Amino acid sequence: DAKTTQPPSMDCAEGRAANLPCNHSTISGNEYVYWYRQIHSQGPQYIIHGLKNNETNEMASLIITEDRKSSTLILPHATLRDTAVYYCIVKTSYGKLTFGQGTILTVHP
Amino acid sequence: DTAVSQTPKYLVTQMGNDKSIKCEQNLGHDTMYWYKQDSKKFLKIMFSYNNKELIINETVPNRFSPKSPDKAHLNLHINSLELGDSAVYFCASSHGTSGESGELFFGEGSRLTVL
Repeated sequence: DAKTTQPPSMDCAEGRAANLPCNHSTISGNEYVYWYRQIHSQGPQYIIHGLKNNETNEMASLIITEDRKSSTLILPHATLRDTAVYYCIVKTSYGKLTFGQGTILTVHP
Repeated sequence: DTAVSQTPKYLVTQMGNDKSIKCEQNLGHDTMYWYKQDSKKFLKIMFSYNNKELIINETVPNRFSPKSPDKAHLNLHINSLELGDSAVYFCASSHGTSGESGELFFGEGSRLTVL
């Protein structure tokens, strides 16, 4: 599965949009982009995934560039409870879910 | 209702002991997993079972033996515990055959401390 690169940490003000970038320049055509987050002392939580098209659900939006080499997870109105480590993962349909180091997002009051 | 539940949540034991962590999911999923998160917070997959059959077995010492009595349960037994086994162990489950779904549901973790 392709490797991903994320900034180690980011800050965001409460109520503002949090935009978390991810580079996956070696992504293959059959690899999906998944986002998870892990709030302190809890298990990882699935957020969203996509292949080519942008995706939106009740938690977040996922924007994937046309060449699929990067993506952005958007939390439209960040709250303090969104403070967590966010993981961007690429995997094929039958590949393993392999976590990297992720981005520590801190939401400030 | 808890979807993926693990017991115990905390476990402190001496080196050389044998211990088990239990996991149960009530989501009707066919695939279950064990992940290990070490002190550096890296999450690594250890095992995956689909319908009680072992699908993924990463390079885990054979002191670790998963057991799946039915598809709703995947227990982890660890023999001859070592200091390096100290970590948080997460159980997870998903629909379909192993790897088919990337949407995993994780338990709250079991923190193992080996003294």
